[in-house]
Amino acid sequence: EAGVAQSPRYKIIEKRQSVAFWCNPISGHATLYWYQQILGQGPKLLIQFQNNGVVDDSQLPKDRFSAERLKGVDSTLKIQPAKLEDSAVYLCASSLTGGVVNEQFFGPGTRLTVL
Amino acid sequence: AQRVTQPEKLLSVFKGAPVELKCNYSYSGSPELFWYVQYSRQRLQLLLRHISRESIKGFTADLNKGETSFHLKKPFAQEEDSAMYYCAPGSSNTGKLIFGQGTTLQVKP
Repeated sequence: EAGVAQSPRYKIIEKRQSVAFWCNPISGHATLYWYQQILGQGPKLLIQFQNNGVVDDSQLPKDRFSAERLKGVDSTLKIQPAKLEDSAVYLCASSLTGGVVNEQFFGPGTRLTVL
Repeated sequence: AQRVTQPEKLLSVFKGAPVELKCNYSYSGSPELFWYVQYSRQRLQLLLRHISRESIKGFTADLNKGETSFHLKKPFAQEEDSAMYYCAPGSSNTGKLIFGQGTTLQVKP
């Protein structure tokens, strides 16, 4: 089966610019996660969707980050405006449901560099 | 606060040597525990989960609830085990994972 798809794979922007990332989860997976992974650290959950509803966005910096999953399938994550500290790899993952017994499948990530 | 500590950033061993990657966690409630792995130029993927009580690629992980540790072990390391390993406790309700900072395992020939 096809895995989680993400685009773009790389993005370089200047601070204060805007950027958007796209994720297509594995078909049939109800739960979608966005993680931020700063160099040298483990992934940190930004937001979790169950279908098109938000389950957890407690660590999403809502003054500049937004995410949506309008039809319960694809999702976009936006940063507006970007700061230098947003430089990171942004990972999307999906699972059948949100229960802990379900494995999370990860995409290849988008590497963002903010200059 | 929920926290995961992997004390070694880099663990370097020779092929055939035993390996132990340490993980200590602080977590309210009773989390489920996972190890995820990322091989070079590959995606992050599940290695094993405590609930399954299984051995994957020769790796096992022992949960010590008293010490809140979930160390990953393998008796004889192979070169193909070289990768980044992440310990991750998860919420049994939502599936939310808290990742440690990771340990790079380097297995030398």
